[in-house]
Amino acid sequence: GDSVTQMEGPVTLSEEAFLTINCTYTATGYPSLFWYVQYPGEGLQLLLKATKADDKGSNKGFEATYRKETTSFHLEKGSVQVSDSAVYFCALRRGGTGGFKTIFGAGTRLFVKA
Amino acid sequence: DGGITQSPKYLFRKEGQNVTLSCEQNLNHDAMYWYRQDPGQGLRLIYYSQIVNDFQKGDIAEGYSVSREKKESFPLTVTSAQKNPTAFYLCASSNPAGSEQYFGPGTRLTVT
Repeated sequence: GDSVTQMEGPVTLSEEAFLTINCTYTATGYPSLFWYVQYPGEGLQLLLKATKADDKGSNKGFEATYRKETTSFHLEKGSVQVSDSAVYFCALRRGGTGGFKTIFGAGTRLFVKA
Repeated sequence: DGGITQSPKYLFRKEGQNVTLSCEQNLNHDAMYWYRQDPGQGLRLIYYSQIVNDFQKGDIAEGYSVSREKKESFPLTVTSAQKNPTAFYLCASSNPAGSEQYFGPGTRLTVT
């Protein structure tokens, strides 16, 4: 079945450091890929998405590129801030008759120190 | 402003009692979902509904029930049959199929 694997956390960085959170997936066909962010005690918010191979999603300085050849969608940010501390979830969603279910990774907690 | 509301934010119940969690959306979305999140873990799908008066079991439906009588509302009942009901419950919606999901702020349920 479909699955999403992301790097275990927590990830601890100093402010202005470079961030990479790895995400790989297994799915049939051509799923849409997403990164969601969850701040403490809140629901998830969409951070960025990509719907086809080689698409790059970007938002608030975060980027991720849909790599079909490596089945990956790694999240990157050039300079993190304390306010980026949160849990980040990679997710996929297939279209068609199986398209109403989103598969989430386990989440990666990020701590950014001032 | 459009969005999803869940109430209450915190809910406390005694073991053996049924409890209903509210989820309302004004985004005019057809599809709605309920997830359960346990500490340090990802999201697990409980139930989902693609359209009014229709819903399907997710991966962990045992001990839960839902209804979808109105497009805007998708309440979740946690029954006494649910063995470990204490968790953070998230409601979401989406439209159309294949698009991103919009989440509510969640309800933290504690059963003692």
